[in-house]
Amino acid sequence: AQSVTQLDSQVPVFEEAPVELRCNYSSSVSVYLFWYVQYPNQGLQLLLKYLSGSTLVESINGFEAEFNKSQTSFHLRKPSVHISDTAEYFCAVSDPPITGGGNKLTFGTGTQLKVEL
Amino acid sequence: AAGVIQSPRHLIKEKRETATLKCYPIPRHDTVYWYQQGPGQDPQFLISFYEKMQSDKGSIPDRFSAQQFSDYHSELNMSSLELGDSALYFCASSIRTPNTEAFFGQGTRLTVV
Repeated sequence: AQSVTQLDSQVPVFEEAPVELRCNYSSSVSVYLFWYVQYPNQGLQLLLKYLSGSTLVESINGFEAEFNKSQTSFHLRKPSVHISDTAEYFCAVSDPPITGGGNKLTFGTGTQLKVEL
Repeated sequence: AAGVIQSPRHLIKEKRETATLKCYPIPRHDTVYWYQQGPGQDPQFLISFYEKMQSDKGSIPDRFSAQQFSDYHSELNMSSLELGDSALYFCASSIRTPNTEAFFGQGTRLTVV
């Protein structure tokens, strides 16, 4: 069974400072990895994903994550955060597609990023 | 662009009542997933459907049932509601091929009183 560990439940950081949100996964097979962001009382929005190829993936708003197979990690980073980045961030894993249908996501427990002035 | 539509957005029910949540996937998406997110919790997978057939099952209580209809929309039926069923219920949809990511709806917030 897959599992995702997000060790930090809350990460406070000052605006314009760098941030790293940690994510480790456990799986016996190759996986797809995702970061979702959830603003208060909102749905889940995909931030970025790793499917295959380059281990460094980037989002349009400055976040990046690097897939490290040997450490089974997919940490999320941003060199300079903004107040608007305050939200809950969920790391998730799924199996690569199988014939016959989609695959469910297994989420981590989330990390609350709080950006302060 | 069209997104996943969930209705209603908010629902208040009393204990032991029944609730029906609806999900309309993105056009041409053939797979639907249901997730439950309790207060302060991560989303938990309940059930999924592909081409109107159940494709996977997670931690869905026996009091809950779901189905996907011919137009690909899905409904989650919840009976004998309990206080612990209060949560945000998300629907997500994807395309089987290539199945690279699921798109989530805004969720239905169910409050059981």
